[in-house]
Amino acid sequence: KNEVEQSPQNLTAQEGEFITINCSYSVGISALHWLQQHPGGGIVSLFMLSSGKKKHGRLIATINIQEKHSSLHITASHPRDSAVYICAVRSGDMRFGAGTRLTVKP
Amino acid sequence: SQTIHQWPATLVQPVGSPLSLECTVEGTSNPNLYWYRQAAGRGLQLLFYSVGIGQISSEVPQNLSASRPQDRQFILSSKKLLLSDSGFYLCACSLGGRDYNEQFFGPGTRLTVL
Repeated sequence: KNEVEQSPQNLTAQEGEFITINCSYSVGISALHWLQQHPGGGIVSLFMLSSGKKKHGRLIATINIQEKHSSLHITASHPRDSAVYICAVRSGDMRFGAGTRLTVKP
Repeated sequence: SQTIHQWPATLVQPVGSPLSLECTVEGTSNPNLYWYRQAAGRGLQLLFYSVGIGQISSEVPQNLSASRPQDRQFILSSKKLLLSDSGFYLCACSLGGRDYNEQFFGPGTRLTVL
């Protein structure tokens, strides 16, 4: 069993829909990262959080340390949000989820 | 702000050939540097990290090696490539000490071993 599990693996949405991607982990962590990998492979760090909630534009990330769970929400989704979203946790070293492939259709 | 450069962007190499991928960082000093690999259809795997010149830690046994000859230069090498070395190689940096703070990624090198 992977230490970082993401769901769903693949997600297709219509433009404008509210999207949630989930991440569960089984190790003690000091921080959790949400990354966005574009179709060309480039990776951008979206959030780093260790408690509570962070918001940046249409993106919201939450974490519940007690439940070992984090969610990434995208409001008013747009085709340009199409990418792979990766959850990573810092537990000594960095451990990565397998990613969620999001496709937003116009 | 920091900028990470990687080259080449793509590379096709025969099995058994050597490899050298270079990563350089601008806009910061004394960064922590990382090499990751993403095999096709799989998640990111940390290969090496470095907290300073000449200091390399390896996360997984393999036929790859890393070196950090200068503060902002990180090199990934192999003497003889295997088919299983194919993948997308990402260099990343983080700031502020030995901890894994927020990481910034380079554009990556896509390696195909034939």
